[in-house]
Amino acid sequence: DAKTTQPNSMESNEEEPVHLPCNHSTISGTDYIHWYRQLPSQGPEYVIHGLTSNVNNRMASLAIAEDRKSSTLILHRATLRDAAVYYCILRGNNNDMRFGAGTRLTVKP
Amino acid sequence: DARVTQTPRHKVTEMGQEVTMRCQPILGHNTVFWYRQTMMQGLELLAYFRNRAPLDDSGMPKDRFSAEMPDATLATLKIQPSEPRDSAVYFCASGLHVYSPLHFGNGTRLTVT
Repeated sequence: DAKTTQPNSMESNEEEPVHLPCNHSTISGTDYIHWYRQLPSQGPEYVIHGLTSNVNNRMASLAIAEDRKSSTLILHRATLRDAAVYYCILRGNNNDMRFGAGTRLTVKP
Repeated sequence: DARVTQTPRHKVTEMGQEVTMRCQPILGHNTVFWYRQTMMQGLELLAYFRNRAPLDDSGMPKDRFSAEMPDATLATLKIQPSEPRDSAVYFCASGLHVYSPLHFGNGTRLTVT
């Protein structure tokens, strides 16, 4: 299975943008890049996903490198409610979704 | 908003007892996933189904765990016999189709004493 690498933790100031990186150098052509987040005491929550082009939705933006070996989740204005563990996951033809350790984002007031 | 419903929310049981966890996927979703989360191991994929058929259950200890979908509105995860090392939060998630985002339930927190 293709693997992802994320920093263990990151800090951000409230109302500032946050860029969460993910490396996936062994990604295959059919793997989608998914991002989920998990707030304390809750189940994971879908954030965004993409294949090749950059994607935007109401929660975040996903910037995908041209070679697809890395991607960045962008939160445009972090709020205290965005403090969570963010997971970058590759989802391939076999449909499985395996979570890594993720990045714990701390947002400071 | 449609939600994935998991029951019970909490379960405390003694070692050796059978435990059954239930999940009601979102109506119309044809993929169901089971995960287990512990502090040490993080989120582990146990099994997943598509159109009620198991696609992969390689993440489950086969001797004691079993996952089924008796019908499209119910998925079950059973542990028999339960052991203290099974203590964890168990999450169910469903998706509309392959590649679509997964919607997670709030989990069942299992404590085996």
